[in-house]
Amino acid sequence: GAVVSQHPSRVICKSGTSVKIECRSLDFQATTMFWYRQFPKQSLMLMATSNEGSKATYEQGVEKDKFLINHASLTLSTLTVTSAHPEDSSFYICSASPGGHNQPQHFGDGTRLSIL
Amino acid sequence: GQSLEQPSEVTAVEGAIVQINCTYQTSGFYGLSWYQQHDGGAPTFLSYNGLDGLEETGRFSSFLSRSDSYGYLLLQELQMKDSASYFCAVRGRAGKSTFGDGTTLTVKP
Repeated sequence: GAVVSQHPSRVICKSGTSVKIECRSLDFQATTMFWYRQFPKQSLMLMATSNEGSKATYEQGVEKDKFLINHASLTLSTLTVTSAHPEDSSFYICSASPGGHNQPQHFGDGTRLSIL
Repeated sequence: GQSLEQPSEVTAVEGAIVQINCTYQTSGFYGLSWYQQHDGGAPTFLSYNGLDGLEETGRFSSFLSRSDSYGYLLLQELQMKDSASYFCAVRGRAGKSTFGDGTTLTVKP
């Protein structure tokens, strides 16, 4: 079945550090990937749509200079949290769909980011 | 925009059947998905309905009525390991998915 791989699974770092998270589609090509953020006991909130070969589309309220997205190939999207602060601590999850918009999304295992 | 409503909590006993409902309002609709999420884990895909009707996958089934903007997830022969959060999600414009707030299912012995 479709597999989405996300790395790293957990990051603990000091305030001011930039953190890069990778999302890979392992057995299919994904022109579009999605990045979500989830706080404890809350739902998944879409942050941005990562588009292969073009700029990401950010949801309202998400700072594009804070959350840099690069989708350089059909199987890899990266999210960089720049100059992270404690309020950026969260669970970040990527997703991709192997079959287009009318197919369900499959999620990576998520990255738990803790900023000290 | 899109919004979804689902119950916040459901409790049932082992072996029982549980139905989790989801109603939605959307400006574009490709399909309704259901995901399971255990504490500390990522969402796991359970079922998807792009067309009206019932989809069955083992102990889990999902139903969709597009005219009623309504769907449900049916879990049969409940097991303790089914205790988790369940999210419905609408796939809409530009392929984006909007998630409901989740239903916490507690299965008791």
